[in-house]
Amino acid sequence: GAGVSQSPSNKVTEKGKDVELRCDPISGHTALYWYRQSLGQGLEFLIYFQGNSAPDKSGLPSDRFSAERTGGSVSTLTIQRTQQEDSAVYLCASSSNGLAGVYEQYFGPGTRLTVT
Amino acid sequence: GQNIDQPTEMTATEGAIVQINCTYQTSGFNGLFWYQQHAGEAPTFLSYNVLDGLEEKGRFSSFLSRSKGYSYLLLKELQMKDSASYLCAVRDLSGGSYIPTFGRGTSLIVHP
Repeated sequence: GAGVSQSPSNKVTEKGKDVELRCDPISGHTALYWYRQSLGQGLEFLIYFQGNSAPDKSGLPSDRFSAERTGGSVSTLTIQRTQQEDSAVYLCASSSNGLAGVYEQYFGPGTRLTVT
Repeated sequence: GQNIDQPTEMTATEGAIVQINCTYQTSGFNGLFWYQQHAGEAPTFLSYNVLDGLEEKGRFSSFLSRSKGYSYLLLKELQMKDSASYLCAVRDLSGGSYIPTFGRGTSLIVHP
């Protein structure tokens, strides 16, 4: 079946511009996560959506970052006024249930963002 | 929050056995995950432990000791394709969050 998809796969943008990154989770998965990964670093949590609950935005590094999840499915991560330190791979993951239990996360291929 | 510690890099020989350790500190432990991530690819799920003991799945096994805040991933009969980064992730409910926190990962290099 179809896995998690993300677009674009690569994005090069100039400092100061806004970017939108898209994630299509696995159909029926109620939980959706955004992470970013810099070279040689672990996964840094950004934001989490679980069903109809208010999103957990505790990982967003600044107010330039925001995300939406429409209709409990597709999610868009927006970065405004991009900075060079925003350069990273942005990974989206979904799971069938974002609560306790062995509900592993299925990751998309990521969007590699480069801010010049 | 939790501190998750893994070795940065390990090397091993094809056909051998390697153990990758992960230590963590939590006040509301609720599960530990291991993921494999090949260079340039997304992480993929390997194992989940929530009770003490060993979980075996083919060539891979994962062990958990909650009292020691310790887990390891054991890879047997190493193959070249096992060269990858191995990520330990812990779920801690003490802050009311179900979000697993990831360690920095262990880069495993398998050589002939």
